[in-house]
Amino acid sequence: DAKTTQPTSMDCAEGRAANLPCNHSTISGNEYVYWYRQIHSQGPQYIIHGLKNNETNEMASLIITEDRKSSTLILPHATLRDTAVYYCIVKGNTPLVFGKGTRLSVIA
Amino acid sequence: GAVVSQHPSWVICKSGTSVKIECRSLDFQATTMFWYRQFPKQSLMLMATSNEGSKATYEQGVEKDKFLINHASLTLSTLTVTSAHPEDSSFYICSARDRPKKGTGSYEQYFGPGTRLTVT
Repeated sequence: DAKTTQPTSMDCAEGRAANLPCNHSTISGNEYVYWYRQIHSQGPQYIIHGLKNNETNEMASLIITEDRKSSTLILPHATLRDTAVYYCIVKGNTPLVFGKGTRLSVIA
Repeated sequence: GAVVSQHPSWVICKSGTSVKIECRSLDFQATTMFWYRQFPKQSLMLMATSNEGSKATYEQGVEKDKFLINHASLTLSTLTVTSAHPEDSSFYICSARDRPKKGTGSYEQYFGPGTRLTVT
């Protein structure tokens, strides 16, 4: 059963911020929000994860709403190399289960 | 970040033969490894979870006698596709789990680059 809902696809202009939304209204208290991406014909790449506080690393920022029912992944300055399928996954102590993700196309 | 390697990156085999795919965690010990399969234009599907030194746990619908998994050490897991058929052609991806971070219940899964299997 899908635990997250993401738009099927999004476009973003190169150099602009890409904001990828994710709904996870049934998230449990001990489940984390993870984001991975998959560039064509490669293995998934870890981006970021969080529990309830906003998180930032060298790749992206993760904004989680106070009720934890949704989150947004922010790529601050998208480049053509960020074109990929982005997966939002909620998990506890279980393996990652992938949904369909959002296909982000960064356009020059 | 941690590195997971897979070998081979691609393989072509004849129907009825067996193919072995290796997955290694290069700079960390992975007590748990996962095997996924991805068909074209679809998402990754979890096939099985393997713990070092014990039998793998297979997801529903995955034949354990066809997809043999061995996790003999903390850095190596192998997937053998036995008696391969054209419908087994797919992108096979392994993942290794790091130890949980102190004070949290979270851990990260790192993925290998994948192995593209084509059965003719």
